[in-house]
Amino acid sequence: ETGVTQTPRHLVMGMTNKKSLKCEQHLGHNAMYWYKQSAKKPLELMFVYNFKEQTENNSVPSRFSPECPNSSHLFLHLHTLQPEDSALYLCASSQDYRGQYEQYFGPGTRLTVT
Amino acid sequence: LAKTTQPISMDSYEGQEVNITCSHNNIATNDYITWYQQFPSQGPRFIIQGYKTKVTNEVASLFIPADRKSSTLSLPRVSLSDTAVYYCLVGSNDYKLSFGAGTTVTVRA
Repeated sequence: ETGVTQTPRHLVMGMTNKKSLKCEQHLGHNAMYWYKQSAKKPLELMFVYNFKEQTENNSVPSRFSPECPNSSHLFLHLHTLQPEDSALYLCASSQDYRGQYEQYFGPGTRLTVT
Repeated sequence: LAKTTQPISMDSYEGQEVNITCSHNNIATNDYITWYQQFPSQGPRFIIQGYKTKVTNEVASLFIPADRKSSTLSLPRVSLSDTAVYYCLVGSNDYKLSFGAGTTVTVRA
């Protein structure tokens, strides 16, 4: 238990569906992150939020839409996804967005797009 | 952004010491070196972090030479449960951490 929870743990959705992934951290951290991990590939940083403000969007397609209503919650809204978007989506948080601070990861959401 | 290079895989046996070396030739003055461990279908977990010389905690040691262009993660007396992917990261005020491909460590009985 890292103090970062993600729901759902598994999600199967069609290409025309709209779904949302939720992340919550109970650590009092100020920065939150979304990562994508495809099979046999390194983790890809998607979005970074610091004090609820988005500070990074690594050229992520618009079919992925993040939302950070407060420092403890982070959402990833999904719509019209493609099969290649099937992956493990990981949320993380850290005290600060700077690199020397340890990131705490959630268990991930295994997403399958059919 | 400092690029890191690690071996793709390493094999070991229970009870042995495993040393994984990471190269980061263009490390910046303010960069820290951090190692994470990841099991299948789980998020990475912090192992250890250092800036220079040697750092030791209850699970690992991190050796950093004076020029800081490389670092070595040392796992003492590994067990089967240490089979995982290990990532070396370098970062400072730049939050754009790159996890790279990592090193898959397989521990055999």
